[in-house]
Amino acid sequence: EVQLLESGGALVQPGESRRLSCSASGFSFSSHAMSWVRQGPGKGLEWVAAIGGSGDSTYYADSVKGRFLISRDNSKNILYLEMNGLRAEDTALYYCAKAIGWYAPDAFDFWGHGTVVTVSS
Amino acid sequence: EIILTQSPGTLSLSPGDGATLFCRASQRVDNSYVAWYQQRLGQAPRLLVYGGASTATGVPERFSGRGSGTEFILTISRLEPEDFAMYYCHQYGSSPWTFGQGTKVEIK
Repeated sequence: EVQLLESGGALVQPGESRRLSCSASGFSFSSHAMSWVRQGPGKGLEWVAAIGGSGDSTYYADSVKGRFLISRDNSKNILYLEMNGLRAEDTALYYCAKAIGWYAPDAFDFWGHGTVVTVSS
Repeated sequence: EIILTQSPGTLSLSPGDGATLFCRASQRVDNSYVAWYQQRLGQAPRLLVYGGASTATGVPERFSGRGSGTEFILTISRLEPEDFAMYYCHQYGSSPWTFGQGTKVEIK
C-alpha cells in the first residue's frame, strides 16, 4: 500500500526557514517523480515544486522560485522541501504527491494527508 | 503560464443526475496532459483522470474525461452521494504546472 507521510509543518515568523519532509513507502520511490502541492486556507490547489525520479531535474512555481528547494534521498525514500524567506502567503497545507511515472511532468496518483505551515508574526 | 478556468463554479444537482465539468486552458496543453482530481471536504485530492481521457485505477466507470487543445471535460454519468465534492483540473504539459480554481458539485 502506498503511503506518503508529511512532517515538519509549524508556525513560523516571516523571513524564517523551514524544511518539510515526506516519508514514502509501498512503492519503488526512485522510479517516480514527486511534487509538493499546497492549499491555502479555504483556497484551491497550487503546485509548488517537482523533482524527477533520479533527482537530477527540478521544477518550481514562479511564486517560490529562488526561495524553495526540492530534493530527495532515494536511499531513505524521503522527499524534502526546504523553504526560505517565508511569507504570509506561503501559509498553507502542504501535500506531498507521487507522480504516475519517473519523468516529472505527470499527474499525481497518490497524495499524503499534508502538513500545515503557518507564517505569522 | 497556462491559466485554467473551470466552469461552472458550482453545480447544484441531485443524486442520479449527470454532471459535466469544463476546464478551459489559456493556451494549448501539450499531449493533452490534463488531469482531474476529486477533493472531498477535509481530505486529500484523489486522481480521477489523467492524460485527458485515461481513468485512474480504482475510479468508477461513471467518471470519464475527454478533450484536447484548450478544452477539457469531466463527465460524471450518474451522481452517487459520495460524488458531491470539489473537482480540480490540472495541466502538466508545460511548466509551471497549474490547477484550475475548482468546481463544487453540491446537493440540490
